Amino acid sequence: QKEVEQNSGPLSVPEGAIASLNCTYSDRVSQSFFWYRQYSGKSPELIMSIYSNGDKEDGRFTAQLNKASQYVSLLIRDSQPSDSATYLCAVNSNSGYALNFGKGTSLLVTP
Amino acid sequence: GAGVSQSPSNKVTEKGKDVELRCDPISGHTALYWYRQSLGQGLEFLIYFQGNSAPDKSGLPSDRFSAERTGGSVSTLTIQRTQQEDSAVYLCASSLGRTGFEYGYTFGSGTRLTVV
Repeated sequence: QKEVEQNSGPLSVPEGAIASLNCTYSDRVSQSFFWYRQYSGKSPELIMSIYSNGDKEDGRFTAQLNKASQYVSLLIRDSQPSDSATYLCAVNSNSGYALNFGKGTSLLVTP
Repeated sequence: GAGVSQSPSNKVTEKGKDVELRCDPISGHTALYWYRQSLGQGLEFLIYFQGNSAPDKSGLPSDRFSAERTGGSVSTLTIQRTQQEDSAVYLCASSLGRTGFEYGYTFGSGTRLTVV
């Protein structure tokens, strides 16, 4: 089982809609969770972090964490074409000091 | 500096040659990571440095790969006898915390390595 799993997509949503991106992880004791956005040809950019069960909101972004289900999600409200990118989920590894990344979900927001 | 700086941005090398990739982290960031990202693949952890402690080399794929960090700041990733499968984008990241867990990473713009 891969440590961090994401659907590769592409996930296509119309402009103004809510985009929902999901991630599951295998290490039950993971404590730190991050969402990165990566535009084509660019490096990943941190957009959200979450450490506790529940929701965390930052502008149009909401991160949701459910440790019992080993599930973390990212909601993007009022999606814009500029949100079109690959979204990477990252989870801390309990065996070291590195973050484990999923392969990312490609999001396409259509005008 | 203002961000994580990596050089060169692109490198084309012949199979069998050695290459050096450089990373200059954000000033004050003590944690430094190297990852690589191959086409269609996720980010693969290579090595982690924290201050003057011994690095975590557990992600290095073979003994052709090595890295050092001088003075707790600039890091160099060296790939000896490059192979075509080494072609990837090599990303350096730094973090303010002891690990990347408290604040996440800030990535550099990467070095695109092509082995021909």
